[in-house]
Amino acid sequence: QKEVEQNSGPLSVPEGAIASLNCTYSDRVSQSFFWYRQYSGKSPELIMSIYSNGDKEDGRFTAQLNKASQYVSLLIRDSQPSDSATYLCAVNSGTGRRALTFGSGTRLQVQP
Amino acid sequence: DGGITQSPKYLFRKEGQNVTLSCEQNLNHDAMYWYRQDPGQGLRLIYYSQIVNDFQKGDIAEGYSVSREKKESFPLTVTSAQKNPTAFYLCASKAMTSASNQPQHFGDGTRLSIL
Repeated sequence: QKEVEQNSGPLSVPEGAIASLNCTYSDRVSQSFFWYRQYSGKSPELIMSIYSNGDKEDGRFTAQLNKASQYVSLLIRDSQPSDSATYLCAVNSGTGRRALTFGSGTRLQVQP
Repeated sequence: DGGITQSPKYLFRKEGQNVTLSCEQNLNHDAMYWYRQDPGQGLRLIYYSQIVNDFQKGDIAEGYSVSREKKESFPLTVTSAQKNPTAFYLCASKAMTSASNQPQHFGDGTRLSIL
């Protein structure tokens, strides 16, 4: 079982819709959770971080964390064609390694 | 501007050759990381360092070596022992605190190919 799992997609949504991206992780002691956006050929850029159960909103982005279910999600409201990218979920396992473990990413396509 | 600088942007390796990828940061971050990304894949950890003169192997360290002689610099050498080096290499850094919740920030990457 992979430590961090994401559906590879592509997830296709029409412009203006809500895109929902999901991520599950295997290490119950994980403490920190991050969403990165990666455009084709570019490096990842941080868009959201979340550390406690519940929702965290930042503009059009909402991160949701459920530690009991070992599940973290990212909602993008009013999706724009410029949101088309691969979204990487990253987890700090808290085992002392202090390096993030990344999922393989979900490719999002926003159709104009 | 503060940031992470990786060079070169593109690099070609001949068979049997060692090549070194540069990573420099002026963010005063203690921790630095090297990841490898293959097409359509996530990031895999090669090496990381939390303090000068100390570094740890990641998940795919074989065929790679690093040094951390200065806080600002964490070069990665891809040795001839790495038989499949073609990939996108990403350097990252983060501030170290007692908590684990600091995010990593990435350089622009180096794309390595075999000639």
